[in-house]
Amino acid sequence: DADVTQTPRNRITKTGKRIMLECSQTKGHDRMYWYRQDPGLGLRLIYYSFDVKDINKGEISDGYSVSRQAQAKFSLSLESAIPNQTALYFCATSDSAGVTYEQFFGPGTRLTVL
Amino acid sequence: AQSVTQPDIHITVSEGASLELRCNYSYGATPYLFWYVQSPGQGLQLLLKYFSGDTLVQGIKGFEAEFKRSQSSFNLRKPSVHWSDAAEYFCAVGAGAAGNKLTFGGGTRVLVKP
Repeated sequence: DADVTQTPRNRITKTGKRIMLECSQTKGHDRMYWYRQDPGLGLRLIYYSFDVKDINKGEISDGYSVSRQAQAKFSLSLESAIPNQTALYFCATSDSAGVTYEQFFGPGTRLTVL
Repeated sequence: AQSVTQPDIHITVSEGASLELRCNYSYGATPYLFWYVQSPGQGLQLLLKYFSGDTLVQGIKGFEAEFKRSQSSFNLRKPSVHWSDAAEYFCAVGAGAAGNKLTFGGGTRVLVKP
């Protein structure tokens, strides 16, 4: 079973719609992240959370919001989707007590905004 | 702010040939450096990382990377590529607490010819 899961895997929506992407993890990690991937731009950090009560903006947070419902769950919302939010979205986790500093990525959600 | 440049967008290599992917970073302190691989339709998997110590780092799947502070580079190499190495490769620099905030390069897509 996957340690970091994302739902849905694919989503097509229309401009102006509200949409939520969900991430769950069974790794027991305290830190979670949301990235978006665009061709040629790599991955860019949207939001990150170091624990349930600690949520921080990344470099491209405008138009997005997040909710950390529990240590294992971190959701990304687009309140009013627009076409330039069409991208591949990744959730990731890491362990602040670990020594490897590795982030573990989910399989991604491909979002298309028409 | 930190930044990462991967100068090569695409590289085509013959199976069995050697591979080198370039990565240059900009960061004011000692960097945490990572290479991730993304196979088609998959999330990102860590290949290797550098924090300190020996500047030649060994990773999974036969990859290695060399940290050169004087050149601000962290190039990835593999002596003999396999068809399964066809993927997109991302270099990242970590900042913040324990290098947990990653900044990614734009990625290099590797095609492997039979």
